[in-house]
Amino acid sequence: AQSVTQLGSHVSVSEGALVLLRCNYSSSVPPYLFWYVQYPNQGLQLLLKYTTGATLVKGINGFEAEFKKSETSFHLTKPSAHMSDAAEYFCAVISGNNNDMRFGAGTRLTVKP
Amino acid sequence: DAGVTQSPTHLIKTRGQQVTLRCSPKSGHDTVSWYQQALGQGPQFIFQYYEEEERQRGNFPDRFSGHQFPNYSSELNVNALLLGDSALYLCASSLVARTDTQYFGPGTRLTVL
Repeated sequence: AQSVTQLGSHVSVSEGALVLLRCNYSSSVPPYLFWYVQYPNQGLQLLLKYTTGATLVKGINGFEAEFKKSETSFHLTKPSAHMSDAAEYFCAVISGNNNDMRFGAGTRLTVKP
Repeated sequence: DAGVTQSPTHLIKTRGQQVTLRCSPKSGHDTVSWYQQALGQGPQFIFQYYEEEERQRGNFPDRFSGHQFPNYSSELNVNALLLGDSALYLCASSLVARTDTQYFGPGTRLTVL
């Protein structure tokens, strides 16, 4: 069964600094990979996804992620953090014909002024 | 175009009671998935409905059941509530052919006392 591990439950960066949120996956078949953002008391919003094709995926709000099969990773980055980026971020995976989307435990991003 | 809507927003129940949560999918979507998000954790897949039938189920007991109506809206029922059922319950909708693209509602916060 597929699974996701997010390294670091809490990441703190200064405004304008690079954001790097780490995600490693486990899947026996080529996965579909996702990053979602959740603001307090809200549902999940899709930031970006990888299904097939180009391994560098660009999403909303300046975020991007790179699928690295050899490292089983799908890390999320943003060159310059904004205060509005402070939220909880979840990495998720779907494998094969399985409709069961598996989420990581989440990483809380704090942005300091 | 309304997105995914859920009702109620908040709910307080006592142990042993039963609860029904409701979800209306995004216009044009035919598939509804339900997730449980405990405090400080990532969402966990409960089940998915398409054509009024349960299409796939996660690792949840039979106390959790669902229904999908002809208009694609859905209900999640939980019987014999336990304290551990306290969580944010998220509904997501998609097209059956594109379950890799799910839109999430704001969730229902269930508190079991």
